[in-house]
Amino acid sequence: EVLLVESGGGLVQPGGSLRLSCGASGFTFSTYWMSWVRQAAGKGLQWVANIKQDGSEKYYVDSVKGRFTISRDNAKNSLFLQMNSLRAEDTAVYYCARVRCSSTSCFGDYWGQGTLVVAPS
Amino acid sequence: QSALTQPASVSGSPGQSITISCTGTSSDAGGYNYVSWYQQYPGKAPKLVIFDVSNRPSGVSNRFSGSKSGNTASLTISGLQAEDEADYYCNSYTGSNTLYVFGTGTKVTVL
Repeated sequence: EVLLVESGGGLVQPGGSLRLSCGASGFTFSTYWMSWVRQAAGKGLQWVANIKQDGSEKYYVDSVKGRFTISRDNAKNSLFLQMNSLRAEDTAVYYCARVRCSSTSCFGDYWGQGTLVVAPS
Repeated sequence: QSALTQPASVSGSPGQSITISCTGTSSDAGGYNYVSWYQQYPGKAPKLVIFDVSNRPSGVSNRFSGSKSGNTASLTISGLQAEDEADYYCNSYTGSNTLYVFGTGTKVTVL
């Protein structure tokens, strides 16, 4: 069974930092792209970042570029999101997702339950 | 990259069919076969129900189907059931460095 478990969320002052973790099990972690997606309360989903299997390629939504860093440790089946210079608008539930690629496209096929990050204004 | 446009809400009676639209541009929802759909219950993680416009993952009911015409993708739920009451989001790969864009989300209500 594929299982993704996020941790590390919490309350942080604007301008502060937080590191999210996502532990993976039930699949060969090192063979999949991984994503972070967030959702503010009562709002829609927003893709945040992606990382390639070996960490050699990383992509970010414009609003977090230069502030957030996605990384992974394949030996520990873990995905991370280092969030610096946090803003009130970063307040959201953060999900990690496994990215499955078909012959045509890539999409998140399994998601964790999320971890809440609050940066009050 | 702007969010894809979905209706805020769609409703139907049990047994009916409903369709949720997802409108973008030729560079996202209209581009090739990059559209996926997610179902999300309140307080829960999203669940993949359609990928590559019209493919269902294993275990997803065949009452869910997807299609695309021009720059608009659609999710149809046939034989509507109470358990289908949830939020639904489309998602598209953009092909740019901003890899993915989600739709604005649609709340499905079963009357």
